[in-house]
Amino acid sequence: RKEVEQDPGPFNVPEGATVAFNCTYSNSASQSFFWYRQDCRKEPKLLMSVYSSGNEDGRFTAQLNRASQYISLLIRDSKLSDSATYLCVVAPNTGNQFYFGTGTSLTVIP
Amino acid sequence: DGGITQSPKYLFRKEGQNVTLSCEQNLNHDAMYWYRQDPGQGLRLIYYSQIVNDFQKGDIAEGYSVSREKKESFPLTVTSAQKNPTAFYLCASARRQGGDNEQFFGPGTRLTVL
Repeated sequence: RKEVEQDPGPFNVPEGATVAFNCTYSNSASQSFFWYRQDCRKEPKLLMSVYSSGNEDGRFTAQLNRASQYISLLIRDSKLSDSATYLCVVAPNTGNQFYFGTGTSLTVIP
Repeated sequence: DGGITQSPKYLFRKEGQNVTLSCEQNLNHDAMYWYRQDPGQGLRLIYYSQIVNDFQKGDIAEGYSVSREKKESFPLTVTSAQKNPTAFYLCASARRQGGDNEQFFGPGTRLTVL
């Protein structure tokens, strides 16, 4: 079983739509969670960390559900510039490595 | 400006040749990582280093080697033993290993084996 699993999409949504991505993780001891954004042929960049209580940054809301072992990303009022691949990342509190999902592709259509 | 640099951006090599990819950071980060990304796939960890003169294998270390002689530098050598080296290589650093320390990525090197 993979450490982190994401629906690869693609998600094609019209401008102004609300879209949500989910990501499941297998290690219940995981402590740190992130969403990264990766534009085509570019490096991933941190979009936001995911906190236990959930957190919001403008149009973006991230939530963590430890009981079901998933994290989510909600994008409201989608913009053309939101088109990218969104990577879910999970890490233990100590130890070795971060685990990346394969990414969910989003295209916002005019 | 602080950040991570990788060079070259594009690299072509013939089969059977070793090639070294550069990664430098001036963020004073302790941890550094090398990942490989193939089309339609996620990032796979090749090697990582927590401190100078120490590094560990990741999930796909075969055919690769690294060194960490300086805190700022973590070069990756793709050897001729790597059977399918054509990929996008990403270097990352973090303030320290694990925890809530997000990773910062360099712009990547696209390696093509001809």
